[in-house]
Amino acid sequence: AQSVTQPDIHITVSEGASLELRCNYSYGATPYLFWYVQSPGQGLQLLLKYFSGDTLVQGIKGFEAEFKRSQSSFNLRKPSVHWSDAAEYFCAVGSGNTGKLIFGQGTTLQVKP
Amino acid sequence: NAGVTQTPKFQVLKTGQSMTLQCAQDMNHNSMYWYRQDPGMGLRLIYYSASEGTTDKGEVPNGYNVSRLNKREFSLRLESAAPSQTSVYFCASRKTDTQYFGPGTRLTVL
Repeated sequence: AQSVTQPDIHITVSEGASLELRCNYSYGATPYLFWYVQSPGQGLQLLLKYFSGDTLVQGIKGFEAEFKRSQSSFNLRKPSVHWSDAAEYFCAVGSGNTGKLIFGQGTTLQVKP
Repeated sequence: NAGVTQTPKFQVLKTGQSMTLQCAQDMNHNSMYWYRQDPGMGLRLIYYSASEGTTDKGEVPNGYNVSRLNKREFSLRLESAAPSQTSVYFCASRKTDTQYFGPGTRLTVL
């Protein structure tokens, strides 16, 4: 069965420090992978996505993610975190035909000044 | 261009009451989705509609019904609300392989 695991429920980093959020997936075929961000009280905004090709994908707000098939991972990174990055982050895997998304449990990012 | 809109933003119901959550998109997308978000569980798909006139169950459809009224609108109905349906509900529409989400409806069932 398809599934997504985000091992870290809550992460705290200092402003200016680097960030890596982990995501592991289980999917039978080549996955469509997404990272979404949710600010408090808001809907979800797409950060980046991977369908095929270059395994390092760039997104909005300075985020990037690397697809590693051998590790079934799609980790999100940012070299220098800003206070405005504090939010909840969701990794998701999608079905190409129906477009249905399976989400991970989410990781809450707290940024210390 | 408003994107995906949802009404209401907040709602409190008593057990057994019914209500309909409304969703509309102005992006001319064929596919639309309803999710619920619960703490520690991410978002889970309730129902989806691949195109006007079609609907299919998702991961957690029990206790819900949907109507794809036209290409723009996709409503979610709770016929007899239960406390277990207390959640935040998100509607989304899809263009190619990317889903776009509405702002959500926070529902509390007492």
